[in-house]
Amino acid sequence: QQPVQSPQAVILREGEDAVINCSSSKALYSVHWYRQKHGEAPVFLMILLKGGEQKGHEKISASFNEKKQQSSLYLTASQLSYSGTYFCGTELLTGSQGNLIFGKGTKLSVKP
Amino acid sequence: DAGVIQSPRHEVTEMGQEVTLRCKPISGHDYLFWYRQTMMRGLELLIYFNNNVPIDDSGMPEDRFSAKMPNASFSTLKIQPSEPRDSAVYFCASSFRGGGSSYEQYFGPGTRLTVT
Repeated sequence: QQPVQSPQAVILREGEDAVINCSSSKALYSVHWYRQKHGEAPVFLMILLKGGEQKGHEKISASFNEKKQQSSLYLTASQLSYSGTYFCGTELLTGSQGNLIFGKGTKLSVKP
Repeated sequence: DAGVIQSPRHEVTEMGQEVTLRCKPISGHDYLFWYRQTMMRGLELLIYFNNNVPIDDSGMPEDRFSAKMPNASFSTLKIQPSEPRDSAVYFCASSFRGGGSSYEQYFGPGTRLTVT
């Protein structure tokens, strides 16, 4: 049931773009995205509730393809502050309400 | 608001000892979650509560783990007896769902547990 994230790690130069994917084998009600910096707690970025929905947060946006049970996180013109591990958390359509299952994370390193 | 508060921030204990982790959720939130994070297993949900009632404890690894939420502002996670493989960072998170839509979870700073 754990969603699969890809890639596992990515290294960028400042200003470059990246895409992080999250794929589930089960039908989804929602997808949450969080970022965690080393030694800190995960911090909420955004929730996607509907199939085909797209959301944006500064230069970070995401899409949710309900049919494919996939979500993608887009980071454009990356900044040093974007470094960290990104987690997707999936809420199943037929699971316990409120129960998030997190992927293993994608480690993003942005270099000057 | 002070956010989710966890204590202690660090705990070092010997194998066989009882460990109690504490959490104060954000006021007004109706969901509380306990997670464990390790390098090997990532972020795992242990148990969660809705309005102080345990909803799903299928993630609790063994009977050595127990969690309570006696009121809306306090929860504990207890490990008795503790084992070295319990070493991890334990996060508490809370959220407000109210009418049923999915809402973001706010994580506490975590408790780093080391069992020697």
